[in-house]
Amino acid sequence: QKEVEQNSGPLSVPEGAIASLNCTYSDRVSQSFFWYRQYSGKSPELIMSIYSNGDKEDGRFTAQLNKASQYVSLLIRDSQPSDSATYLCAGAAGGTSYGKLTFGQGTILTVHP
Amino acid sequence: DTGVSQDPRHKITKRGQNVTFRCDPISEHNRLYWYRQTLGQGPEFLTYFQNEAQLEKSRLLSDRFSAERPKGSFSTLEIQRTEQGDSAMYLCASSLGGGPYTDTQYFGPGTRLTVL
Repeated sequence: QKEVEQNSGPLSVPEGAIASLNCTYSDRVSQSFFWYRQYSGKSPELIMSIYSNGDKEDGRFTAQLNKASQYVSLLIRDSQPSDSATYLCAGAAGGTSYGKLTFGQGTILTVHP
Repeated sequence: DTGVSQDPRHKITKRGQNVTFRCDPISEHNRLYWYRQTLGQGPEFLTYFQNEAQLEKSRLLSDRFSAERPKGSFSTLEIQRTEQGDSAMYLCASSLGGGPYTDTQYFGPGTRLTVL
């Protein structure tokens, strides 16, 4: 099993819809989790971080963490064409290596007008 | 300047040549990370520093790769005797390093390396 796996893409949603991005992880990267957005040819841009079970909301974005199921998700409400990008899920282990991120392969999201 | 900067942004080199990349972290960020990203994949961890100390290096990193962070400020990543398989985007990130529940990494624009 890969340490961080993202749901297969690409994902296409109409403008205004909810986009749901999913990620599962192994025990080795179970301390904290991050969602990054990456536009083509650009570097990753942080969207949200989440450390505790439950939901965390920031504007149109909601991150959900379920440690029992080892599952992290990102919901994007009222999707806009500008949300079209690759979304990267990353996990970090605890201990002194807490900052070392392990990324999934990314999910390409396309929001069509 | 409020972001991570990297130089150069693009580098084209011939196989067998040495290349060096520079990363300037966000001011006062203690931790500095290097990642490598190939097309269609997520970034892959290479190494990281806490101030000037290199704390961890990926097992995937060959001896041709070396990084340093003198005085805990900017960092350099050198690749010796480049191979075509080294072609990738090299990303630098920095963070305050305050602990697992506060550490957030911010990425620079990356250096795209092409080895001919």
